Formats: sequence, C-alpha cells, structure tokens
Amino acid sequence: DTGVSQNPRHKITKRGQNVTFRCDPISEHNRLYWYRQTLGQGPEFLTYFQNEAQLEKSRLLSDRFSAERPKGSFSTLEIQRTEQGDSAMYLCASSPPTSGGPYEQYFGPGTRLTVT
Amino acid sequence: DQQVKQNSPSLSVQEGRISILNCDYTNSMFDYFLWYKKYPAEGPTFLISISSIKDKNEDGRFTVFLNKSAKHLSLHIVPSQPGDSAVYFCAVHLGNQFYFGTGTSLTVIP
Repeated sequence: DTGVSQNPRHKITKRGQNVTFRCDPISEHNRLYWYRQTLGQGPEFLTYFQNEAQLEKSRLLSDRFSAERPKGSFSTLEIQRTEQGDSAMYLCASSPPTSGGPYEQYFGPGTRLTVT
Repeated sequence: DQQVKQNSPSLSVQEGRISILNCDYTNSMFDYFLWYKKYPAEGPTFLISISSIKDKNEDGRFTVFLNKSAKHLSLHIVPSQPGDSAVYFCAVHLGNQFYFGTGTSLTVIP
C-alpha cells in the first residue's frame, strides 16, 4: 500500500494556460474525489468518481474544469484558461468500496497550483 | 453557504491535558461525521468518524461526540501529546459529497 500519489507536487503557470494534474489512488479503491483548498479554508469538494463514472460534480465548478478517470484507475484534473483565482492546493482522495459508512478518505499530498 | 463551521481557528493546550475541538453543522440530513488531522505539506489524515445514529465513538485517545439536537460535533483528545499539534478538520457526509470545516490549529505545549 503506497498511498495516494499526486503529480506534479507544484505547478506554476501563466494566466490563460491549461494545466493537468494526475492522481493515482490506492489500488482497489473504487471511489475517488478531487478537492480544492485555499489558505485558511477546508477542502472544497470538486468532483467524485465511482470506478470510471463521474457521479457528482460541484455546482460551483466552472466549466473550465474537467476530470476523467479512464478505466477506473488513475484520474486527471484539467483546468483550461487558468485564472489567478485558480491558485490553490488541489487534493485527491480515494476510498475503498463500502455499502455504508464509515466513509474515511485517504488523501494524497496535493498539487499546489500558482497562476501568475 | 457554510455547511460546517469550526469557530475556533486555534487552540493551545498543555501536554497531558484534554483537547476539545468543536464543529457546528447546518443540515440534519448529514449521515456521517468525520475528523481529519493535517500536518503542513501533507494531505489530511483520517482520525475518527461517527454515524448519525450514534452519539459517541471512541478510538484510543480520541473520542467523538455527536449532539444531533444541537447540530454539534466535538473531538476530545486525552491525554494530549505534542505530536497532536496539527490542524484538525471536521467533515460531514451526504450523498456523494463531503463538506469540510475551516479547521482548528491545535498546539500542544510540552
């Protein structure tokens, strides 16, 4: 069990550029979540996958954001035409299959995005 | 709209004493409540959870209490240790989503 990994750990990009982040969940975890965290705030839910299906997406999520989880393994989060307000820590978390709780999630270390 | 509030941004406690972290929520439909601990430069780590059908769950030094009538959640750490110094987030679950509080920074003084 190597834990959840995220790449890159840091990304600096210029406003208007596209960026893509990758998340590798713990093997056999069928549930995967993306969050965004800014300074002084808790993680903010972005989207949820169960296997390869994207089952939930935050209403607050701009259409510049898109996420995929092909084959139900790793996931990517893409931000198009980045804005300075996109600067944040992007966290990925995975959870094992369950028919009920507890719903603990295993978080990766995050990707820190800075838009200049 | 803040679904979950942690009104104390920081807390300092002497080593060996009890740490009490608090969390208030708005929606009575939440079905699970969780606490996470976060060290700098790391992702949050799961600590303990409680179902909405219970009012207490204990795991070693950590106990979570749920007061549904008050929509209040608390985490007790006894005895507190310097290694407990971290930011603590409460989280609530409904459907496929989790909502996190803003965190409380706990400092345990040796």
